[in-house]
Amino acid sequence: QSALTQPASVSGSPGQSITISCTGTSSDVGGYNYVSWYQQHPGKAPKLMIYDVSKRPSGVSNRFSGSKSGNTASLTISGLQAEDEADYYCSSYTSSSTWVFGGGTKLTVL
Amino acid sequence: QVQLVQSGAEVKKPGSSVKVSCKASGGTFSSYAISWVRQAPGQGLEWMGGIIPIFGTANYAQKFQGRVTITADESTSTAYMELSSLRSEDTAVYYCARGPTIFGVVREGWFDPWGQGTLVTVSS
Repeated sequence: QSALTQPASVSGSPGQSITISCTGTSSDVGGYNYVSWYQQHPGKAPKLMIYDVSKRPSGVSNRFSGSKSGNTASLTISGLQAEDEADYYCSSYTSSSTWVFGGGTKLTVL
Repeated sequence: QVQLVQSGAEVKKPGSSVKVSCKASGGTFSSYAISWVRQAPGQGLEWMGGIIPIFGTANYAQKFQGRVTITADESTSTAYMELSSLRSEDTAVYYCARGPTIFGVVREGWFDPWGQGTLVTVSS
């Protein structure tokens, strides 16, 4: 199972919006709504930000939103803040009853 | 709220094995999966496998089949991940996480919460 494809890096200025894509196949992202997103700051454990494609856990800012079209899921962060600077990973269920992560995207807030 | 606490850092020789523990507290243990995810230095997250303790049968990523064993002890609410035939490329931080749990009427396709991570260093 190959890793899902994410851009290596994205950047934006405070207050702007950015979108991170996560591309898979019909056997993972495109076939299931079990897509989730994780934020990871350096030296810390990942934190769940979005689950089931577009749902936000309690306590996660509504500046974070998720969507999916075909085999590509997306994470959008609006009103960028300095503390959003981190690595972001997507994850999906697969037709092999396993789980796969994306390669990760480094978000830089300029 | 469920909390996961992992065992401490390990330094191992190539060819040896390592066993990392993950103790859960504050919630239901047996009915929800515990997964193991590793992260090599400067690299991304990699799912290794998972187990639903009440069933006792683990599911592994093909890459680790035959080299990893995931078990769970319901009496102590602790999950374990043992990786054998260690090589330098196995140097990584190993995380446990609750979920994802997809069985019966349970449809929780996410990893949350996560343990604090255990650094395993493989070096001669």
